[in-house]
Amino acid sequence: AQRVTQPEKLLSVFKGAPVELKCNYSYSGSPELFWYVQYSRQRLQLLLRHISRESIKGFTADLNKGETSFHLKKPFAQEEDSAMYYCALTSGTSYGKLTFGQGTILTVHP
Amino acid sequence: EAGVTQFPSHSVIEKGQTVTLRCDPISGHDNLYWYRRVMGKEIKFLLHFVKESKQDESGMPNNRFLAERTGGTYSTLKVQPAELEDSGVYFCASSQDIRGYTFGSGTRLTVV
Repeated sequence: AQRVTQPEKLLSVFKGAPVELKCNYSYSGSPELFWYVQYSRQRLQLLLRHISRESIKGFTADLNKGETSFHLKKPFAQEEDSAMYYCALTSGTSYGKLTFGQGTILTVHP
Repeated sequence: EAGVTQFPSHSVIEKGQTVTLRCDPISGHDNLYWYRRVMGKEIKFLLHFVKESKQDESGMPNNRFLAERTGGTYSTLKVQPAELEDSGVYFCASSQDIRGYTFGSGTRLTVV
């Protein structure tokens, strides 16, 4: 069974500080991992996915198959990064069905 | 391009009543998904349409939930009769292939 775990429900940092949102997954095959973000009063939107290997809004995430992790990192947090972040997984056999973690609320203080 | 549209944005109904949620996907997107986030829990998959056919409905909680997708265009999710535990935010998403979802803004359902 697929499972995604985000151990922190809440994460607070100060502006300019590094931030890391943790995500661990369990899946026996080769998953595709995503980070979704929901800003206040906005819809859920894709932030990045591991196969793209890109940096969006200064965020990066590396898939570590050995540790089954896909942590989201940003070296210098900004106030506008405050939002709910979801880690999600899909597999090649699930036709796009996403399994989400419980989400982490990130608050960046001025 | 227009995004995924859901309505109503909010619905408050009494236990035992019926509610129908609607989702209009992005035009041309064959894949349409329904998800639900119950208070304090993670977002959970409900079902997946490919055009008008149900590809996967393994996440539908019980037979009080009925989803349809007319002619492969918009989709409705009916809850009949609604129970208190059905309260939550219902999300719809569409995609052209199995990646690159676009989500709607969700319908917040409150059953009292």
